[in-house]
Amino acid sequence: GAGVSQSPSNKVTEKGKDVELRCDPISGHTALYWYRQSLGQGLEFLIYFQGNSAPDKSGLPSDRFSAERTGGSVSTLTIQRTQQEDSAVYLCASSTRSLGSTDTQYFGPGTRLTVL
Amino acid sequence: GNSVTQMEGPVTLSEEAFLTINCTYTATGYPSLFWYVQYPGEGLQLLLKATKADDKGSNKGFEATYRKETTSFHLEKGSVQVSDSAVYFCAFSDTGRRALTFGSGTRLQVQP
Repeated sequence: GAGVSQSPSNKVTEKGKDVELRCDPISGHTALYWYRQSLGQGLEFLIYFQGNSAPDKSGLPSDRFSAERTGGSVSTLTIQRTQQEDSAVYLCASSTRSLGSTDTQYFGPGTRLTVL
Repeated sequence: GNSVTQMEGPVTLSEEAFLTINCTYTATGYPSLFWYVQYPGEGLQLLLKATKADDKGSNKGFEATYRKETTSFHLEKGSVQVSDSAVYFCAFSDTGRRALTFGSGTRLQVQP
């Protein structure tokens, strides 16, 4: 079946602009994660959604970052007033959360964000 | 806090050589352990996993054993191929926390 998809694959923006990144998880996956991969910081967790529960936002680096997940499926990560240090590859992952089983996350191809 | 330490790369090997990439972790609970691989130009893929002590994960000739006593999950392969050239990430998800904590990644280059 289809994997996790993300759009756009590349985004170039000017400092100070807002950007929206989209993630379509694997159908039926109830958990959705956002990470970012940058040269200086490696792979970092940003935010986690599970069903209708309140999201775990503990990894968001500042209040310029926000995310939502509509209808338990598609998610959008929004970065306001982008800064050059936001340049990174933003990865989305999804998983089926089952009690008593390991939560294996499947990753999308990522969105490469470049802030000029 | 939670963290993963991986050996730094790049690791350069000749084809058919033996591979070990060391990984140790610091977790507060009883984590599940993973190795992910990122081939050039591609996304992260799960390579193997282990969920409890002494479990051995294996896939594509790669193996790793969950060693709770040494908090390690070293990746091994007996005979590497050029097609194994990629970046390998060790990661874990801790008890009660679903997000993955990743190591910094180890780049493997296999020469013919």
